Amino acid sequence: KAGVTQTPRYLIKTRGQQVTLSCSPISGHRSVSWYQQTPGQGLQFLFEYFSETQRNKGNFPGRFSGRQFSNSRSEMNVSTLELGDSALYLCASSQQGRGNTIYFGEGSWLTVV
Amino acid sequence: KNEVEQSPQNLTAQEGEFITINCSYSVGISALHWLQQHPGGGIVSLFMLSSGKKKHGRLIATINIQEKHSSLHITASHPRDSAVYICAVPPGIQGAQKLVFGQGTRLTINP
Repeated sequence: KAGVTQTPRYLIKTRGQQVTLSCSPISGHRSVSWYQQTPGQGLQFLFEYFSETQRNKGNFPGRFSGRQFSNSRSEMNVSTLELGDSALYLCASSQQGRGNTIYFGEGSWLTVV
Repeated sequence: KNEVEQSPQNLTAQEGEFITINCSYSVGISALHWLQQHPGGGIVSLFMLSSGKKKHGRLIATINIQEKHSSLHITASHPRDSAVYICAVPPGIQGAQKLVFGQGTRLTINP
């Protein structure tokens, strides 16, 4: 059974650009969540999707957005990139989201220059 | 004060030693997660527990809901256990994946 797959694994963007990150959950998992990890702030919750609906959102500006498709694959987008957006972005999936084990992907390393 | 506090932040031990990492939280929760992160970034879920104790191989996790405290123990530690260990909680009942994370404990096991 394939794990959670995130693409791309590494990318470099320039300030002001936008970026889209992709996450394919484990087959059968309907809940997908996104997290940001930085040396200063540690791991922080971005948002959670379940059956194409955003179920929860963290404390991030509107430049951070996401969506989930009918096949449970998810994308997150960051517009007008800032240097502080440089981080490891992690995606995780679970079957129902509540009371289930969470499986993480390897993450996407974003560097903003 | 952070909602989730871990101690110690850094821990270095010799191979074979018994390791304990602690996690205290200040919010009401339905479950607590222990995660392991190796260099390179990927995170592995070790345990999800809501009461009592769970064991998997050399790893044991315990939780005391009344005291809002959890511990992760590693018996007969090995250099491959070197990683960052993170505890995480979903505050309230909003959703199991809206996690609040501790700052992590960096564990180094020397041969």
